Amino acid sequence: NAGVTQTPKFRVLKTGQSMTLLCAQDMNHEYMYWYRQDPGMGLRLIHYSVGEGTTAKGEVPDGYNVSRLKKQNFLLGLESAAPSQTSVYFCASTHRQGVNQPQHFGDGTRLSIL
Amino acid sequence: RKEVEQDPGPFNVPEGATVAFNCTYSNSASQSFFWYRQDCRKEPKLLMSVYSSGNEDGRFTAQLNRASQYISLLIRDSKLSDSATYLCVVNILTGGGNKLTFGTGTQLKVEL
Repeated sequence: NAGVTQTPKFRVLKTGQSMTLLCAQDMNHEYMYWYRQDPGMGLRLIHYSVGEGTTAKGEVPDGYNVSRLKKQNFLLGLESAAPSQTSVYFCASTHRQGVNQPQHFGDGTRLSIL
Repeated sequence: RKEVEQDPGPFNVPEGATVAFNCTYSNSASQSFFWYRQDCRKEPKLLMSVYSSGNEDGRFTAQLNRASQYISLLIRDSKLSDSATYLCVVNILTGGGNKLTFGTGTQLKVEL
């Protein structure tokens, strides 16, 4: 059981380049989330999805787009990368809406924008 | 004011010591609470949920005071392997699902 898998693990981009981060979960979770983690900031929610075909903005959505075409996959896109998007990105999922449902995290993608 | 505030530390303690972390949250609509552990350059992992009556899991005890909007984590008999960053997390249930808000974490270093 792989849980939540993120690809790639590391990436270096030049300013203006585009890329897509993939998150895949094999736990049949309905809810999926993308966070970024920066020093001194804690994890901040970028976008999330409550089901296949639906997405919503989180706390820091600007500069990112997402898609959830399949229940098990949640893609995070950077159309035109900026140095401010240098960060560690974590994907998470949870089974269903419920007060005590914890989130399961992937092991992160370290992204550097030069 | 941050929604979830923690002392960043680091807390440097000798092996075997008891250490306590505190956390305050600002949104009174917060409905559930967690402590996550994050090792260096790794993903956060759930340590334990926090219940109003207080709960214990081995050497770890979590407490919640809703009136004061305060959460604590107590670690007894610290081990070297407890060295990590501990994240206080609060959850608000909305129509868009669970919204977790993370504290910036408290760093613990357990030393020989």
